[in-house]
Amino acid sequence: EVQLVESGGGLIQPGGSLRLSCAASGFTVSSNYMNWVRQAPGKGLEWVSVIYSGGSTYYADSVKGRFTISRDNSKNTLYLQMNSLRAEDTAVYYCGRGDWHFDLWGRGTLVTVSS
Amino acid sequence: DIQMTQSPSSLSASVGDRVTITCRASQTISSYLNWYQQKPGKAPKLLIYAASSLQSGVPSRFSGSGSGTDFTLTISSLQPEDFATYYCQQSYSTPYTFGQGTNLEIK
Repeated sequence: EVQLVESGGGLIQPGGSLRLSCAASGFTVSSNYMNWVRQAPGKGLEWVSVIYSGGSTYYADSVKGRFTISRDNSKNTLYLQMNSLRAEDTAVYYCGRGDWHFDLWGRGTLVTVSS
Repeated sequence: DIQMTQSPSSLSASVGDRVTITCRASQTISSYLNWYQQKPGKAPKLLIYAASSLQSGVPSRFSGSGSGTDFTLTISSLQPEDFATYYCQQSYSTPYTFGQGTNLEIK
């Protein structure tokens, strides 16, 4: 079955770090553009980051310098390393497959940044 | 960054109605425009990509049109399962911005 499964979310204090994972099955992560999109409680969707099949990475200004997207080809898994977390980073984080459009999404993992 | 503005922000309609949601980009994005449907507690679902291409498995009552800066999503005859929030998204350039969403409610 083709699917994405996120994990790694939880409650973290401001200034802390967290690494999210997105395990893929049924397709190869490294052959696709892979994205992270987040949604704060009761709010809309916000694109966070993309890693191209060639390895180039791009970020939203709101996370640039704090978040790092990466992948492990041997594990067929996408990651989002989140450092210097802020209250405004509280959201459900989704991974999504796609270059110009996101045709496959995971169910999301909730990150709560609070003291 | 390219700003995406959807209208209306919310909409009440009845089963069987024809509904149109619009999305405007702050600069030209050619046809790099996608539409997603999201239900509460669920991940977004791709409906339309490249402005007018219907994603596999999506009912034909959904259609998209437009190019440049102005786009529309049309649902020809609303079904009970269509009540949800709809988002447009530009994929012309990073950051791949979304519209603020349109909440489609039952009248």
